Amino acid sequence: NAGVTQTPKFQVLKTGQSMTLQCAQDMNHNSMYWYRQDPGMGLRLIYYSASEGTTDKGEVPNGYNVSRLNKREFSLRLESAAPSQTSVYFCASSGGLGLARGGTDTQYFGPGTRLTVL
Amino acid sequence: GDSVTQMEGPVTLSEEAFLTINCTYTATGYPSLFWYVQYPGEGLQLLLKATKADDKGSNKGFEATYRKETTSFHLEKGSVQVSDSAVYFCALTNFNKFYFGSGTKLNVKP
Repeated sequence: NAGVTQTPKFQVLKTGQSMTLQCAQDMNHNSMYWYRQDPGMGLRLIYYSASEGTTDKGEVPNGYNVSRLNKREFSLRLESAAPSQTSVYFCASSGGLGLARGGTDTQYFGPGTRLTVL
Repeated sequence: GDSVTQMEGPVTLSEEAFLTINCTYTATGYPSLFWYVQYPGEGLQLLLKATKADDKGSNKGFEATYRKETTSFHLEKGSVQVSDSAVYFCALTNFNKFYFGSGTKLNVKP
């Protein structure tokens, strides 16, 4: 199984350009997530999708949009990139069924996309 | 809201030394607790987890016990190896939301 895949692996943008980061999982998971990882700040949740057709904001949603295209795919779009969005972006998935008491889900992570905005 | 706090790094140890990385949490209800590991240039991988109080998660010589009375989930290993050098993240899940600590970098010297 491929697990969680992300494209591209590396990207350099100029300020103001737009781009979409792609994520797909083949584990039939319901929930998918986008995180950014910055030095000394760990992982911060940007957006998540608890099930197909739903999306919710995480801790740092400003400047991003997401689309849950189908159960497998969850894309992250930067409409007008800014240098503050330079980061490593991780997509993850888990098998959860939405809001549930005491979930035991494990998240499975993709390899990441390293984005630089000049 | 829910949160995870872990000790700041980096932690530098000699091979075969004992490792402890502290993690405490704040959460309502009955969260599950995790340790993830990130090797250089890679995504996070699950190391171990515990789903209820007093459970002990273990994997690859690492252990952590879910202590509800102290709201802690400290990671331990009796004898570290150079290959254990990585960043370790403590995390919890509650109501299908995940919260990660800021990560602790471990450097193991030969």
